[in-house]
Amino acid sequence: NAGVMQNPRHLVRRRGQEARLRCSPMKGHSHVYWYRQLPEEGLKFMVYLQKENIIDESGMPKERFSAEFPKEGPSILRIQQVVRGDSAAYFCASSPSGANVLTFGAGSRLTVL
Amino acid sequence: GIQVEQSPPDLILQEGANSTLRCNFSDSVNNLQWFHQNPWGQLINLFYIPSGTKQNGRLSATTVATERYSLLYISSSQTTDSGVYFCAVLNTGTASKLTFGTGTRLQVTL
Repeated sequence: NAGVMQNPRHLVRRRGQEARLRCSPMKGHSHVYWYRQLPEEGLKFMVYLQKENIIDESGMPKERFSAEFPKEGPSILRIQQVVRGDSAAYFCASSPSGANVLTFGAGSRLTVL
Repeated sequence: GIQVEQSPPDLILQEGANSTLRCNFSDSVNNLQWFHQNPWGQLINLFYIPSGTKQNGRLSATTVATERYSLLYISSSQTTDSGVYFCAVLNTGTASKLTFGTGTRLQVTL
């Protein structure tokens, strides 16, 4: 079992570009969560998805950010027109059900120049 | 929303020492997890412990749900224990939002 796989591990973008972060959940897990960690801070919830459905996106910024978890393939967190404040570590987690133990990936570190 | 406070915020130990990290939360929970974020940023799940006591090697954890706190014990600390320890809780009735504390930064020295 490969665990939760995130890629890329490191991503550098210039202001105004788009960032796409991918997350493949653990085998058998159908619930995916995205969290953001700003430098020297804890993790903050962004969005919770099941296959083809967004269950809770209350932690997502209203503009420029979107997430999907298609029927086939990984979950994608997309950030359009990135700004320096988007620089952070983005962690994906998965679970077999909504109130279960979350297993986290290694994170994707986005740097916006 | 639920508040999660961790103490102490920073801790320096000499190798071999023991320590206790505390996590207080403001509401009832149906999930509590302890994580270790190592110096490379990886987040390792240590315990799933909404109540009771668990042990795994030199680490153990106790959650007293009725009094809304959890403790993480580290015995005979090693330099590889360095990093940030996070407590995270799932508020009863919310299926999605695991709320993290601000963490305890541990440095173990030789």
